[in-house]
Amino acid sequence: DGGITQSPKYLFRKEGQNVTLSCEQNLNHDAMYWYRQDPGQGLRLIYYSQIVNDFQKGDIAEGYSVSREKKESFPLTVTSAQKNPTAFYLCASRYRDSGGRAFFGQGTRLTVV
Amino acid sequence: EDKVVQSPLSLVVHEGDTVTLNCSYEVTNFRSLLWYKQEKKAPTFLFMLTSSGIEKKSGRLSSILDKKELFSILNITATQTGDSAIYLCAVEVYGGSQGNLIFGKGTKLSVKP
Repeated sequence: DGGITQSPKYLFRKEGQNVTLSCEQNLNHDAMYWYRQDPGQGLRLIYYSQIVNDFQKGDIAEGYSVSREKKESFPLTVTSAQKNPTAFYLCASRYRDSGGRAFFGQGTRLTVV
Repeated sequence: EDKVVQSPLSLVVHEGDTVTLNCSYEVTNFRSLLWYKQEKKAPTFLFMLTSSGIEKKSGRLSSILDKKELFSILNITATQTGDSAIYLCAVEVYGGSQGNLIFGKGTKLSVKP
């Protein structure tokens, strides 16, 4: 079945550590997105990528980094520079040119301990 | 700057009530408007609207778009506790920033028994 997979579902990080969240899709989508969601809130865009080897900052990119070396994969690294990283992270993908709805992964809940 | 505004941000109703959620937008190069429901994890797709005045319906949920007045509404009739969720509105644009997909902050709906 085609879909978008995020891992892990839950992640605990000590302060000062970098962690990487995985996002893989087999839908042949060009565009991929990372969003952050805080409790009871909407989605805030961290980074997005519309083609391989290219990505753009969203509204809250500080303290985060991404790469897009393969069409299927768009990992997000939460660095120690992110002051308040505890949140729910959602990855999404969609077709760039024909548009349409975005498909979401199940999310990763990151907690800093 | 493209923006999507949802109202209200939160809403508490009792089972059986009818609710109307609002989504207004100011964007250049509008392509479509999408509604999602998010309960615990991944947002699930509800509707995609591209034409004014054509109601989309799925069970107790319905939605309509007004491209002249730049808004959409999502109606839920005979609400149930299972309708409790965050409802997200997103607008797809041609050639814009944010990866051509702009989300509102969401409306948190709580349905009390």
